[in-house]
Amino acid sequence: GQQLNQSPQSMFIQEGEDVSMNCTSSSIFNTWLWYKQEPGEGPVLLIALYKAGELTSNGRLTAQFGITRKDSFLNISASIPSDVGIYFCAGQAGLLKTSYDKVIFGPGTSLSVIP
Amino acid sequence: NAGVTQTPKFRVLKTGQSMTLLCAQDMNHEYMYWYRQDPGMGLRLIHYSVGEGTTAKGEVPDGYNVSRLKKQNFLLGLESAAPSQTSVYFCASSYLGQGVEKLFFGSGTQLSVL
Repeated sequence: GQQLNQSPQSMFIQEGEDVSMNCTSSSIFNTWLWYKQEPGEGPVLLIALYKAGELTSNGRLTAQFGITRKDSFLNISASIPSDVGIYFCAGQAGLLKTSYDKVIFGPGTSLSVIP
Repeated sequence: NAGVTQTPKFRVLKTGQSMTLLCAQDMNHEYMYWYRQDPGMGLRLIHYSVGEGTTAKGEVPDGYNVSRLKKQNFLLGLESAAPSQTSVYFCASSYLGQGVEKLFFGSGTQLSVL
């Protein structure tokens, strides 16, 4: 079945540093989603990407939909302690509103920020 | 402003015991899901529902049953709990926005099976 890989698995960074992580797949997705999970909570949607090459920002977060449609990238600029959490990428292959296509999640990248 | 509510938040079971996890959403979403989260494996779909009265199997359905008698509720049952079912369980609901499912998650249930 479809699988997503995320790298790195975990990161330990100093406050103020920029962060980059990526998500790759062996198959094509038509939508990429990035979620963040804080300790003890469920994942929350950060950014949704709909077109190959699309670059979308949400505050200090920027995500890109890879040209090949098999990957996506998330960058966090000037990290702060509240950025701590697990970042999940998710892909959806479906195109049409009338078709149902389940979201596939990657294993996550764990981010720790050292003050 | 409740969103997706899961009960209970924590539960400890003995092997062979049964239990039901309740999920309730107040956003009038058609779709509801149950995921389990295990270290290093991300979120894996157990069962899902595309509408009241309908359910379907996900990636890891064995040992679980579900019911969606009302649109706002989605129940996950364990008939005979096993240690392999120790996990964090998340319920989610979604609507189709721009042809994409946007999932809203509950805060999770930590289940330990001894």
